[in-house]
Amino acid sequence: AQTVTQSQPEMSVQEAETVTLSCTYDTSESDYYLFWYKQPPSRQMILVIRQEAYKQQNATENRFSVNFQKAAKSFSLKISDSQLGDAAMYFCAYRSWGGSEKLVFGKGTKLTVNP
Amino acid sequence: DAGVTQSPTHLIKTRGQQVTLRCSPISGHKSVSWYQQVLGQGPQFIFQYYEKEERGRGNFPDRFSARQFPNYSSELNVNALLLGDSALYLCASSLASGVGEKLLFGSGTQLSVL
Repeated sequence: AQTVTQSQPEMSVQEAETVTLSCTYDTSESDYYLFWYKQPPSRQMILVIRQEAYKQQNATENRFSVNFQKAAKSFSLKISDSQLGDAAMYFCAYRSWGGSEKLVFGKGTKLTVNP
Repeated sequence: DAGVTQSPTHLIKTRGQQVTLRCSPISGHKSVSWYQQVLGQGPQFIFQYYEKEERGRGNFPDRFSARQFPNYSSELNVNALLLGDSALYLCASSLASGVGEKLLFGSGTQLSVL
């Protein structure tokens, strides 16, 4: 079974600075997807970024980028120019290639953005 | 277009009761998944339905059941409620199944079991 580990329960960053959230995962599969979701106090899970394992190029969405290290099974999220609205819980998630839509989530990292 | 909508937003039940949670996917989405999020944890997969058929089931007891209707909306039923069923229940939808479509989530139903 796949597992996802987020080793940082809490992180903080100053507004306009850069922060990196860590995620490692365990799988025996060669093809899969990795995601970062953001959950603000409104509770809705918002997709931040997606990475297909077969792609060597790291995904980027505006101020959000990932560092995907397949061999090391590492998938970190970098937030540049942090904004107050980035404050939320961030969850790393894994999904197998094909099959069901089952996402395996980590326990999350609470990000605080200080003005 | 409206996002994934869930009802009710909050619910209070007592142990032993039964509860039904409802989810309407984004227009055009045919796949619906259900997740349970206990306080302080990441969401856990319960079920996925695509074209009214079950496509995946997580490690939950038989007290949990679900179905999908012809309009692709879905219901999650939980029987014989336990205190441990208190959680945020999230619904997510996607266009298809198993082809890497993005899962988009609703705001959830907060269930409290007393």
